[in-house]
Amino acid sequence: DVVMTQSPLSLPVTLGQPASISCRSSQSLVYSDGNTYLNWFQQRPGQSPRRLIYKVSNRDSGVPDRFSGSGSGTDFTLKISRVEAEDVGVYYCMQGTHWHWTFGQGTKVEIK
Amino acid sequence: EVQLLESGGDLVQPGGSLRLSCAASGFTFSNYAMSWVRQVPGKGLEWVSAISGRGGSTYYADSVKGRFTISRDNSKNTLYLQMNSLRAEDTAMYYCAKGERYLTIADPEVFDIWGQGTMVTVSS
Repeated sequence: DVVMTQSPLSLPVTLGQPASISCRSSQSLVYSDGNTYLNWFQQRPGQSPRRLIYKVSNRDSGVPDRFSGSGSGTDFTLKISRVEAEDVGVYYCMQGTHWHWTFGQGTKVEIK
Repeated sequence: EVQLLESGGDLVQPGGSLRLSCAASGFTFSNYAMSWVRQVPGKGLEWVSAISGRGGSTYYADSVKGRFTISRDNSKNTLYLQMNSLRAEDTAMYYCAKGERYLTIADPEVFDIWGQGTMVTVSS
């Protein structure tokens, strides 16, 4: 199985400040079609996961543009340009290149 | 509106059985693989099982293989998870999630839709 490793696991941030989460995979996530299937999910307290980003950098419908994804190969990053109170929760990366799909451990974002 | 709605979670004794359901609406259910993903309270997400659009192929995590059975009824737009020989470590919130168009094949649509979850507690 492809292992997804996130850091940090806990991220206290000040409102209005940027935040960055790293995700590394144990294998390259470039698929045979040339695309990289790396997704990011947000799970707010008491809610089910919601997909934010697919294929590294594409925002899902309704996702604020303060969220951005980047990276390639085995190293990926989710950035929040200015953290808002509604961004509190746990963020997971997930690879959809190598069956079966696997998730990172999660990064808890909280307000300082 | 695209929606997944799970049901069937309950408190069950170790060794017992339970069947979860996931009703889908708002998309062509039979065109997509479907997965079950679970989450132990306070922990991360764990993929449990997946089934192809027509139901002919199924996959399981090693932790549930031989005890859980995934199935679907496309005429009812419903996904199921039959859980037998339940253990304390199966205690978790169980989510159904819309999968890829072709099971095991990378797809930008994978896991774009999740249900609200149904809680399974295994305890005596």
